[in-house]
Amino acid sequence: DTAVSQTPKYLVTQMGNDKSIKCEQNLGHDTMYWYKQDSKKFLKIMFSYNNKELIINETVPNRFSPKSPDKAHLNLHINSLELGDSAVYFCASSQHQQRYRYYYEQYFGPGTRLTVT
Amino acid sequence: GENVEQHPSTLSVQEGDSAVIKCTYSDSASNYFPWYKQELGKGPQLIIDIRSNVGEKKDQRIAVTLNKTAKHFSLHITETQPEDSAVYFCAASNKRISSGSARQLTFGSGTQLTVLP
Repeated sequence: DTAVSQTPKYLVTQMGNDKSIKCEQNLGHDTMYWYKQDSKKFLKIMFSYNNKELIINETVPNRFSPKSPDKAHLNLHINSLELGDSAVYFCASSQHQQRYRYYYEQYFGPGTRLTVT
Repeated sequence: GENVEQHPSTLSVQEGDSAVIKCTYSDSASNYFPWYKQELGKGPQLIIDIRSNVGEKKDQRIAVTLNKTAKHFSLHITETQPEDSAVYFCAASNKRISSGSARQLTFGSGTQLTVLP
């Protein structure tokens, strides 16, 4: 199946721990994103990578560090987890240039529900 | 930066009736307006989008209208069905991060649509 996949789907951990969420897309896209969705369903961009280059870095604590080993992968590492980090984290991807046309649709993964206790 | 407001936050309609969700945006430079549907436990999925050079777009039971002067856009769903029940997000994009690259989406706060059988 062509898609954006994330692992794990659920992550329960204690305050102070370090954890990673992995994302892979097999759509051949050149841009990947991390979004955070809080308990009120509000979706906010955190990071974006284009061709492995960081191009969006919103006001996010530096405990969050994205890593893109290649165009198909964008991982999110979180240090010293806090209660307020509990949320659903979505990875997304898009292809924004193909010859002279621009495409804007972002394809979202299924999400990772992070619970910090 | 861009600010997107979405109303209503919850909407209940009888099956077969129409549903309308409205959004306003703040940045007149925004020129791409997608609508996403998020079903329970899943990632958002694009259902329709419109660019600023178009005033209306329709896809079967779904239509989107855009009023650039007033800076608002709306989603219209006709002949609603129970499977339309989900959270709907509007978004606006005003930023091309780098040449030929990603666009940053600012999402509205979401509308929980419930279609009653």
